[in-house]
Amino acid sequence: AQTVTQSQPEMSVQEAETVTLSCTYDTSESDYYLFWYKQPPSRQMILVIRQEAYKQQNATENRFSVNFQKAAKSFSLKISDSQLGDAAMYFCAYRSARGGGSQGNLIFGKGTKLSVKP
Amino acid sequence: ETGVTQSPTHLIKTRGQQVTLRCSSQSGHNTVSWYQQALGQGPQFIFQYYREEENGRGNFPPRFSGLQFPNYSSELNVNALELDDSALYLCASSIGTSGSTDTQYFGPGTRLTVL
Repeated sequence: AQTVTQSQPEMSVQEAETVTLSCTYDTSESDYYLFWYKQPPSRQMILVIRQEAYKQQNATENRFSVNFQKAAKSFSLKISDSQLGDAAMYFCAYRSARGGGSQGNLIFGKGTKLSVKP
Repeated sequence: ETGVTQSPTHLIKTRGQQVTLRCSSQSGHNTVSWYQQALGQGPQFIFQYYREEENGRGNFPPRFSGLQFPNYSSELNVNALELDDSALYLCASSIGTSGSTDTQYFGPGTRLTVL
């Protein structure tokens, strides 16, 4: 069974600086997707970024980028120029590329709480 | 484009009661997945509905059941509520086929408290 581990329960960053959130995963599959979701106090889970395992190029979305190391099974999220609105819980998630249903659903880590200091 | 909506926002029930939670999927999405998020934890997959049929289930007992309607909205029903059922229930919609599910987009959740 696949697992996702986020080893940093809490992180803090100064506004305008850069922070990196860590995520490791375990799988025997070669084709899969990885995601970072953000969950602010409003509770809604918001997609931040998505990475396909078959792509070597790291995904980027504006101030958010990932460092995807497939051999090491590592998937970290870098937030540049941090803003107060970035404060939230961040969840790393894995999804198999094989099939829908229970195989095609998300496996989440326990999350990292990010605080942004003004 | 309308996003995923859920109702109610909050709900308080007592042990042994039954509850129904509702989810409207994003426009154009035919697949709905339900997750349970206990306090301080990541979401756990309950089940998925694709074209009105259950299309996969996580490690949850049969008292957790669901429905999907022709407009792709969905219900989650929980019978014989237990204290441990207190959690945030998240619905996510996506575009699916019989063999795969695209990126999931989440609703705001329903906070269920069981006393």
